[in-house]
Amino acid sequence: GAVVSQHPSRVICKSGTSVKIECRSLDFQATTMFWYRQFPKQSLMLMATSNEGSKATYEQGVEKDKFLINHASLTLSTLTVTSAHPEDSSFYICSARAGEAYEQYFGPGTRLTVT
Amino acid sequence: AQSVTQLGSHVSVSEGALVLLRCNYSSSVPPYLFWYVQYPNQGLQLLLKYTSAATLVKGINGFEAEFKKSETSFHLTKPSAHMSDAAEYFCAVRQKTSYDKVIFGPGTSLSVIP
Repeated sequence: GAVVSQHPSRVICKSGTSVKIECRSLDFQATTMFWYRQFPKQSLMLMATSNEGSKATYEQGVEKDKFLINHASLTLSTLTVTSAHPEDSSFYICSARAGEAYEQYFGPGTRLTVT
Repeated sequence: AQSVTQLGSHVSVSEGALVLLRCNYSSSVPPYLFWYVQYPNQGLQLLLKYTSAATLVKGINGFEAEFKKSETSFHLTKPSAHMSDAAEYFCAVRQKTSYDKVIFGPGTSLSVIP
């Protein structure tokens, strides 16, 4: 149980375009989902926390207009990187948590490359 | 605010040798602590967690960690390293403020030498 999927696993897009990444909880209802960014050989940096049906809470320094997060249902959250640039190239990982449980379940990640 | 440090960005051990990955935390309240493992180009898998119950926590794949409040440590150990243990390991602490989030340490890359 407690499986989180991400789609796509890899995406290459041209500079200036937008790309959407999906995060799904497959066998549980995720009241809270988290989006992380990871640069090579570095740790995970929390970008934002989203609760189903409400606006995401962004960490300091993360541009909310550039990284649009939608958590429209209890099993799906999306991250849209708008007007992507090469510096947005990174590994994006989502995680999901059910209710007040403290444990997060992580997706397999999405490798974004902006050319 | 809570934080986590991991001593040693890279650790190398021989196959069959003891694995010791260090983690120290800073927290003003009793912490929830986690160890995660990440294989290349994959997400994170929970190895074990401490949630204020037993101080010695056993996890998957033969790993265990001991919570030591006096040392503010939560080091990860495994008696005998296996080649498949080569991966990136992250220690993390739960921070509960206006909303819950997990703060990750910088990570330790474990290499296992045959």
